[in-house]
Formats: sequence, C-alpha cells, structure tokens
Amino acid sequence: QLQLQESGPRLVKPSEPLSLTCSVSGGSISSSGSYWGWIRQPPGKGLEWIGSMSHSGSTYYNPSLKSRITIFGDTSKNEVSLKLSSVTAADTAVYYCARHPGLAAVAFYFDYWGQGTLVTVSS
Amino acid sequence: SYDLTQPPSVSVSPGQTASITCSGDKLGQTYTRWYQQKPGQSPVLVIYQDNKRPSGIPERFSGSNSGNTATLTISGTQAMDEADYYCQAWDSSTVVFGGGTKLTVL
Repeated sequence: QLQLQESGPRLVKPSEPLSLTCSVSGGSISSSGSYWGWIRQPPGKGLEWIGSMSHSGSTYYNPSLKSRITIFGDTSKNEVSLKLSSVTAADTAVYYCARHPGLAAVAFYFDYWGQGTLVTVSS
Repeated sequence: SYDLTQPPSVSVSPGQTASITCSGDKLGQTYTRWYQQKPGQSPVLVIYQDNKRPSGIPERFSGSNSGNTATLTISGTQAMDEADYYCQAWDSSTVVFGGGTKLTVL
C-alpha cells in the first residue's frame, strides 16, 4: 500500500523559503505512470494545487505560483521535495503531497494523499 | 483562469439523497473528480473520471457530468458522510478545485 509522509519546518519567517519533503513508501517515485503533486489548504479554506513532478523528473507548476516554486525528487531516498521562495502570511497552510496516475485530463486525479503538515509563516 | 463553483453548504436527512453540484464553463467536456474531506483529515478521492469509484468507496457515491455542471450524488446518505466535498478538474495544464461544499446530515 502506497504511503506518503510530509515533513519539514512548521514555522517559517516571512521572506524566507519554505522547504518540505514527501517520503514515499510502498512504491517508487520513479515508477512509470506515477506523478507526485503538492496541494495546500489555508486554514478553513479550500484546496490549491501547487505543482507536480513526473516519475522522470519533469515538473508542472501552477501558473499563479510558478515563479516561486521548485519541485524535485531524490530517487535514492524515494522522496519528493517542495521549495517555495519568499513566503508571506498568505502561504500559511496545510501542505499535502499526493500521487496522481497521469497528466492528461483523464488521469489527473489524486488517489493517495499524505496526512499533511501545517506550515505557519510568522516572524 | 478557470473557475469551479460549488454551493457552500448542502443539508440532507439521513437515508435521503444528497446532490452536490460543481459548475464550470463547458465542464462536461472534461473529467470531474470529487474528494471527501472530514475535519482534521486528508482528502479522500470518492469519484474520478466523472463517475468511477475507487476501490473501497461505497456504491452510494455516484457522479455525473454534462453541459456546465457535474454532480456528486450520495444515495441513502449516512451520518458518516458528513464532510466537505471538493470537485476538481484539469484545464489548460492547471489543476482547479472548487471552493468546497459542506454536507450536513441532520
């Protein structure tokens, strides 16, 4: 059974970068047909897709966040990481990593989710 | 940008049918997914490709999508179905979520 676990600092200062890691077990991040996404949810609000990485390392970002996002993988550790630069209070949210089986409209659905981690941006 | 609109809240009596809508321009021309999220928990996929249920999702959950509106239907709603529900689509290389609907079972 595929399991995803987010980790990283829970508190980040404004203007600093936010870095999170998603550890994947029960499957390989480089398995063909697997894509790894990051989604966030501000407290009391809805879901927002941040971006995704394919099994081969290609990346796909939300245009509204593209200038501040980097998603990359470490196959030796079976981890996918997110870096969000120059954070503000508006970036305070629960950050989830999730798997999706494809990029096309037919396959872009998130079928496995991590438990999420709350990151607060505050001085 | 592409917007998906959901009603903020829907109420249903136990055992009755709940319908949650998701509206977007020409939504019926693409696929809609639905997620259930209970307080303090991660979202769970309940419908994908408009009307398919992942393994383990009860048959009382069904979906449809036509024109500009997708609908999640829960037949014989149970108290355990009380949750927030989000629709999701893929448009112009971007994932879009609806604002969410709080389903109350009372």
